[in-house]
Amino acid sequence: AQTVTQSQPEMSVQEAETVTLSCTYDTSESNYYLFWYKQPPSRQMILVIRQEAYKQQNATENRFSVNFQKAAKSFSLKISDSQLGDTAMYFCAFLIAYSGAGSYQLTFGKGTKLSVIP
Amino acid sequence: DSGVTQTPKHLITATGQRVTLRCSPRSGDLSVYWYQQSLDQGLQFLIHYYNGEERAKGNILERFSAQQFPDLHSELNLSSLELGDSALYFCASSVSRADTQYFGPGTRLTVL
Repeated sequence: AQTVTQSQPEMSVQEAETVTLSCTYDTSESNYYLFWYKQPPSRQMILVIRQEAYKQQNATENRFSVNFQKAAKSFSLKISDSQLGDTAMYFCAFLIAYSGAGSYQLTFGKGTKLSVIP
Repeated sequence: DSGVTQTPKHLITATGQRVTLRCSPRSGDLSVYWYQQSLDQGLQFLIHYYNGEERAKGNILERFSAQQFPDLHSELNLSSLELGDSALYFCASSVSRADTQYFGPGTRLTVL
């Protein structure tokens, strides 16, 4: 079974600054995907970024980038030039790449509540 | 907008009642997943359907059931509702089984 740990329940950052959210995971699998989802006050779950475990290059989506350290089982999210609209709960999630006829559900961390301060 | 739709957005009902939550996946997506988000349990996987067939069950109570229809929409049925069933229920869909899951807006269920 996989586990995902987000050790920072809450964080805050000044507008226009950079912030990094931490995530560690535990798995015996070698092929998997990692995601960051954002849940703003509207409660919608929005995909932020995706990383394939077989790719060494860190994923980037505009102001969002990850630091993927496979050996350390670490997957942090960096938000640059923070904006007020980035205020949300951020969830790290794990998805196995192959499970045969088995389960393909996302395993989520407990989330980090990020507040962007004007 | 993820392309996944869920109805209703809000549902208020009484203990002991039965409700049905509906989900329409993105066009072309064959997999549908149901998740429950509550304050104390976080995001929990309930059940996964792929192209009409049940593929996996997670922490789903026996009072809950689901199905995926030939047009690929899915329904989650919750019966004999208890106060503790109050939560946000998400549906997500993906093209295949091991692929990015896109979430619907959720159905907020309140059991009084």
